[in-house]
Amino acid sequence: GENVEQHPSTLSVQEGDSAVIKCTYSDSASNYFPWYKQELGKRPQLIIDIRSNVGEKKDQRIAVTLNKTAKHFSLHITETQPEDSAVYFCAAERNTNAGKSTFGDGTTLTVKP
Amino acid sequence: NAGVTQTPKFQVLKTGQSMTLQCAQDMNHNSMYWYRQDPGMGLRLIYYSASEGTTDKGEVPNGYNVSRLNKREFSLRLESAAPSQTSVYFCASRLQGPETQYFGPGTRLLVL
Repeated sequence: GENVEQHPSTLSVQEGDSAVIKCTYSDSASNYFPWYKQELGKRPQLIIDIRSNVGEKKDQRIAVTLNKTAKHFSLHITETQPEDSAVYFCAAERNTNAGKSTFGDGTTLTVKP
Repeated sequence: NAGVTQTPKFQVLKTGQSMTLQCAQDMNHNSMYWYRQDPGMGLRLIYYSASEGTTDKGEVPNGYNVSRLNKREFSLRLESAAPSQTSVYFCASRLQGPETQYFGPGTRLLVL
């Protein structure tokens, strides 16, 4: 089955700096890669996703890049703000109707004011 | 729309007791999922239902059973709770894979 590894497990940055979180996956058939943000005590919520037919996707201060050859994808947050502090999860999934996502273990991002 | 709802929000059980976690969605989604989240770990899939009338095992199904009651509702049952099942349980749904999953607020379960 799919195995997703996420690094780093914790990340601390100063407000205004950039943050990068990286994930690798094992199943070359995976072609959907979502990122979820989970604030303390809350539910995970999708922030951005990418499919294998594109190499990069951007939404305001958030971007995701995908390297299918190397089987890794990354989340980039620019101009970080204290409200970006949360746990971020990556996931990987094959393109099937059953739709089973395999999640990474999460990265706790702390943005210091 | 309420989205995905879960009951109860919090539950304490003694070892060996049974309970059912309820999940409902009002978005007319086909697929529903049960995950558990333990500290320092990601979301691990327990069971899922790709469509009404079907259920399948995920990564960690042992000790659990599920029922897809209808298109809206997907319940998770612990027949004989164990301390290792102490966790936060999230239900999720989506129209079908692979698309955005919408999560419920979670159920915190403590098994003593």
